[in-house]
Amino acid sequence: AQRVTQPEKLLSVFKGAPVELKCNYSYSGSPELFWYVQYSRQRLQLLLRHISRESIKGFTADLNKGETSFHLKKPFAQEEDSAMYYCALLKSGAGKSTFGDGTTLTVKP
Amino acid sequence: NAGVTQTPKFQVLKTGQSMTLQCAQDMNHNSMYWYRQDPGMGLRLIYYSASEGTTDKGEVPNGYNVSRLNKREFSLRLESAAPSQTSVYFCASSYRDYNEQFFGPGTRLTVL
Repeated sequence: AQRVTQPEKLLSVFKGAPVELKCNYSYSGSPELFWYVQYSRQRLQLLLRHISRESIKGFTADLNKGETSFHLKKPFAQEEDSAMYYCALLKSGAGKSTFGDGTTLTVKP
Repeated sequence: NAGVTQTPKFQVLKTGQSMTLQCAQDMNHNSMYWYRQDPGMGLRLIYYSASEGTTDKGEVPNGYNVSRLNKREFSLRLESAAPSQTSVYFCASSYRDYNEQFFGPGTRLTVL
């Protein structure tokens, strides 16, 4: 069965510091991975997906199939990055997404 | 465009009562989903509908039923509510089941 693990429930960094939110997955096929973000009092929304290889709001994430990881990184955190972040795995062709438990990021001034 | 809308925003039920959560999207999406979000447990898929006329169980379907009324609307029904169903419920939609999902604002349900 597919599984997504976000080992940190809470992560706190200072403004300007680098930040890395970890995501590990288990899936035997070719996964499609996403990062979703939920800012305070806003809807859950897509931040980025691995297939697009984009940088959104300064965040990047690289799929490492050898380590089965899809960590989210930003070199210089901003206070507005404070939010809940979810890693999600989409099983190709099955339509079912599996979400991790989420990491709450707090960026302190 | 309103995107994905959900009603109601809040609901309190007594054990054994029934209710239906409504979800609608105006983005001409084919796939729709219902999730529940519990503290420390992330989002768990209850049911999804890959296209109009089809529904499939997700990870936690017990105690729920769904209806894909038409392409726009996907409702979730609790026939006999239990305290374990206290949660925040999110509806989402996507153009196809492999595309990004767009989420509604959520319904906070408390079962006493």
